[in-house]
Amino acid sequence: DQQVKQNSPSLSVQEGRISILNCDYTNSMFDYFLWYKKYPAEGPTFLISISSIKDKNEDGRFTVFLNKSAKHLSLHIVPSQPGDSAVYFCAASAGAQKLVFGQGTRLTINP
Amino acid sequence: DAMVIQNPRYQVTQFGKPVTLSCSQTLNHNVMYWYQQKSSQAPKLLFHYYDKDFNNEADTPDNFQSRRPNTSFCFLDIRSPGLGDAAMYLCATSTILSGPANYEQYFGPGTRLTVT
Repeated sequence: DQQVKQNSPSLSVQEGRISILNCDYTNSMFDYFLWYKKYPAEGPTFLISISSIKDKNEDGRFTVFLNKSAKHLSLHIVPSQPGDSAVYFCAASAGAQKLVFGQGTRLTINP
Repeated sequence: DAMVIQNPRYQVTQFGKPVTLSCSQTLNHNVMYWYQQKSSQAPKLLFHYYDKDFNNEADTPDNFQSRRPNTSFCFLDIRSPGLGDAAMYLCATSTILSGPANYEQYFGPGTRLTVT
């Protein structure tokens, strides 16, 4: 029973274009969502988050959108840069300081 | 720099031979977590400590145990590793803040466990 799903295992985008990573969830009790970025041989690092009381949060080139009715969130990166090539994990919390992770999407930015 | 450190980065153990993975943190966070991540899968929470209070996930096998002797250190003990326990083990920390909820967790680089 996977409560957080990232249906695209991989995504390839040209440098300078927009990257859109998607995430779906099933648990309506989730009230906080996060995106993590992971480089090879390193642990995941926090990128951006959004509370369920918002539908958008922006930080520089990164924007997260939340559609509660569709139980869907997305991460937009614009413009995409080669250093953005990594695995991106979506995570969700229903409180209790615990996160449920998706299986990740490998983003490759092509020059 | 404040950080989460995991040792060793790579660990090879034999089938059935107990192994201990360690995690330390300089963030002074009161919550520490252990995750298991298998190839191309989501990190799966095994258990976490809130200060000294141990919280086990319902589906974590009894073969996995943990110790937290102080705020800075947390250990993952695998009593009798099987081939299916080969995975990346991630340690993470977080802190309970007053005010708006903040569920951000800080991860170490992980220990890759191989079982032969």
